[in-house]
Amino acid sequence: DTGVSQNPRHKITKRGQNVTFRCDPISEHNRLYWYRQTLGQGPEFLTYFQNEAQLEKSRLLSDRFSAERPKGSFSTLEIQRTEQGDSAMYLCASSLGSPGGTNEQFFGPGTRLTVL
Amino acid sequence: KNQVEQSPQSLIILEGKNCTLQCNYTVSPFSNLRWYKQDTGRGPVSLTIMTFSENTKSNGRYTATLDADTKQSSLHITASQLSDSASYICVVKGAGTALIFGKGTTLSVSS
Repeated sequence: DTGVSQNPRHKITKRGQNVTFRCDPISEHNRLYWYRQTLGQGPEFLTYFQNEAQLEKSRLLSDRFSAERPKGSFSTLEIQRTEQGDSAMYLCASSLGSPGGTNEQFFGPGTRLTVL
Repeated sequence: KNQVEQSPQSLIILEGKNCTLQCNYTVSPFSNLRWYKQDTGRGPVSLTIMTFSENTKSNGRYTATLDADTKQSSLHITASQLSDSASYICVVKGAGTALIFGKGTTLSVSS
């Protein structure tokens, strides 16, 4: 399977615990995005990487959230001291950014986080 | 404020029937508009992408239209199938990298 993969698919944690999610993009894609989606809503942009550089962060990304893409390939999203409001689907997408291109984003299956 | 509004919020149709979903946006400047299909518990999958100069684009039984003057788009599904049951999300790309998502229309196709 050469699509975007995310692990784990589901995570249940207690409030106050730290969690980390992983995203493996399509191998030749240089851009990687993280989104959060709550029930009945469209995805909301969190952050974006071009290669290993984190170029954009939404104000939704509080200090408890940190994302990395150390070698420009896979990425991790860590949430510290989780709160019940963090319960959501966390989606990762990747794209091949090229001048004049549509920069189509391909989404992974998501990680569903439940904070008890 | 950049926004994407979709209607209806939900829709139930019989298998074999056609339907049209609507999307209005206020994003400016406009780069492109995408329609995604999202099955329950899965990530969105792209159906069509249209730039400013494109009025219509088809992908099998899915046909998207774009009126950049009125900032409206529609997604028409022909001869619906049970597998079309999903959420359909309109997404607009403006300046920069972020996509602006609508809340989606939930389509249920029944037999």
